[in-house]
Amino acid sequence: KNEVEQSPQNLTAQEGEFITINCSYSVGISALHWLQQHPGGGIVSLFMLSSGKKKHGRLIATINIQEKHSSLHITASHPRDSAVYICALTGGGNKLTFGTGTQLKVEL
Amino acid sequence: NAGVTQTPKFRVLKTGQSMTLLCAQDMNHEYMYWYRQDPGMGLRLIHYSVGEGTTAKGEVPDGYNVSRLKKQNFLLGLESAAPSQTSVYFCASSYVPSWTGTTGELFFGEGSRLTVL
Repeated sequence: KNEVEQSPQNLTAQEGEFITINCSYSVGISALHWLQQHPGGGIVSLFMLSSGKKKHGRLIATINIQEKHSSLHITASHPRDSAVYICALTGGGNKLTFGTGTQLKVEL
Repeated sequence: NAGVTQTPKFRVLKTGQSMTLLCAQDMNHEYMYWYRQDPGMGLRLIHYSVGEGTTAKGEVPDGYNVSRLKKQNFLLGLESAAPSQTSVYFCASSYVPSWTGTTGELFFGEGSRLTVL
């Protein structure tokens, strides 16, 4: 079993829909990162969280440490949100453990 | 500010050739990292540096060497390229270690696509 698993692997939504991307993990962590990889390949950090919820614009990230689960929500989705969303775990030595990503496509 | 800049962005090598990927950051970050990204796998850490003149092995260091002679630059070298090193390589930097709770925000370069024939 992988330490971190994301679901779904692929997601297609219509503009305006509410989107949820999930990240489940099997090890103890100190924090979890959410990252966005643009279609051109660049990666940007969206959130780092260790408990509760964080919000930035239309993006909301939540984490439940006891259930070993985190979600990334996108409200009022837009085609420019099309990207790969990656979660990454801290707490396993001097490195992050990255998920394989969720490919999101938002259509008009 | 340019952030993190990687060169070259694309390169094709023949098996056995050598090359160096250059990463430069202008944010005065102590910590720098090289990752590789392969289809169906998460990013994997090759080597990292916790400051000028230091380097350390990550998860998949074999076949790669690195140097951090200047704080702003982190070089990744392939001495004898192999087809298994075909990948997209990302450099990243951070002010504090990326594995440090909720403060280790990573800043990534745009990636370098390497193909070894």
